[in-house]
Amino acid sequence: SQTIHQWPATLVQPVGSPLSLECTVEGTSNPNLYWYRQAAGRGLQLLFYSVGIGQISSEVPQNLSASRPQDRQFILSSKKLLLSDSGFYLCAWSAGPNTEAFFGQGTRLTVV
Amino acid sequence: GEDVEQSLFLSVREGDSSVINCTYTDSSSTYLYWYKQEPGAGLQLLTYIFSNMDMKQDQRLTVLLNKKDKHLSLRIADTQTGDSAIYFCAESYGGSQGNLIFGKGTKLSVKP
Repeated sequence: SQTIHQWPATLVQPVGSPLSLECTVEGTSNPNLYWYRQAAGRGLQLLFYSVGIGQISSEVPQNLSASRPQDRQFILSSKKLLLSDSGFYLCAWSAGPNTEAFFGQGTRLTVV
Repeated sequence: GEDVEQSLFLSVREGDSSVINCTYTDSSSTYLYWYKQEPGAGLQLLTYIFSNMDMKQDQRLTVLLNKKDKHLSLRIADTQTGDSAIYFCAESYGGSQGNLIFGKGTKLSVKP
């Protein structure tokens, strides 16, 4: 069966520090991978998606970047965090178009 | 652009039925989804409906789709305190990437 792992679960970082959130998927090949952000009082916002190794598409301009060094690994990064980067970050995968997405447990990021 | 709208809050008494409504804009959506998010956790797929269906029932859950009005609803029969969560409506978007567009979520509170 397929599983998705996302870590860490919670993170408190000072403004200006770097960020690296990791997400891995097991039990499937060539998944579509996604990073979403859920800010307080707001819905889910798609940040990045990837349809293959090294292929990253960004939905919104921002202080964050994503990379996909391996087929089932998706990394969300920042060189210098801003206060506005605080939020709940969710990684997800899907098998392809018009299929359900499976989510990780999320990372609660607080930038102080 | 594509948009998914849903009311932000719903409060019901235990044992009553809950109805969560959603409207969407992309008429080419093939699937529409309902996700549940419990506090501090990732999203869990509850159910989905194919766009050529009007209704889908799964135990206590009933999904109704009015494709003409682009209106989707989720009915939870005999609502329990364990149903308290945020419920997200989502539509498939963009075809080739399998992206989902989410609503802001409806927070369901169940009072004993």
